[in-house]
Amino acid sequence: DGGITQSPKYLFRKEGQNVTLSCEQNLNHDAMYWYRQDPGQGLRLIYYSQIVNDFQKGDIAEGYSVSREKKESFPLTVTSAQKNPTAFYLCASNRGFSEETQYFGPGTRLLVL
Amino acid sequence: AQKITQTQPGMFVQEKEAVTLDCTYDTSDQSYGLFWYKQPSSGEMIFLIYQGSYDEQNATEGRYSLNFQKARKSANLVISASQLGDSAMYFCAMRERTSGGSNYKLTFGKGTLLTVNP
Repeated sequence: DGGITQSPKYLFRKEGQNVTLSCEQNLNHDAMYWYRQDPGQGLRLIYYSQIVNDFQKGDIAEGYSVSREKKESFPLTVTSAQKNPTAFYLCASNRGFSEETQYFGPGTRLLVL
Repeated sequence: AQKITQTQPGMFVQEKEAVTLDCTYDTSDQSYGLFWYKQPSSGEMIFLIYQGSYDEQNATEGRYSLNFQKARKSANLVISASQLGDSAMYFCAMRERTSGGSNYKLTFGKGTLLTVNP
């Protein structure tokens, strides 16, 4: 079945540590997105990528980094520079300009120890 | 300034009744898209319905319909014949151009928590 997978479901980070969240899709979508959701809030865009080897900062990119070496994969690294990383992280994808709707993965919940 | 406003933090509805979730938006673009997503307690965002700014008919998808009033900049979600499984957070979102102008992104409201009572 086609879809978007995110791993792990839960992730714990120690102070000063970088952690990487995985996002994989087998929908043959060109565009991929990372969002952050805080309790009681909507989603905010961190980074997005319209094509392989290209990505753009979203509204809250500070303290995060991404790569897009393969069409199927768009990992997000939460660096030690992100001082308040505890949140729910959602990955999404779509075909890009030709399609409006974004489809989401199940999410990763990041907690700081 | 908030681009998407959902004024109802929480709503209650009896099973089998209809409910309307409010959404107003702000944009200067002539071409834009409006979406509703459902987020159950598991966390996954489930796409429900889409309305393009040039669509003359209100969008419908099964029990979901979007009451689009362009002049009022509102895009309310109507759920008919509510079911217990409809209990979830509901988010309104708008497609808009990114700051560079060459791409698009979704901007989300803060959501409405719907509780369906038996």
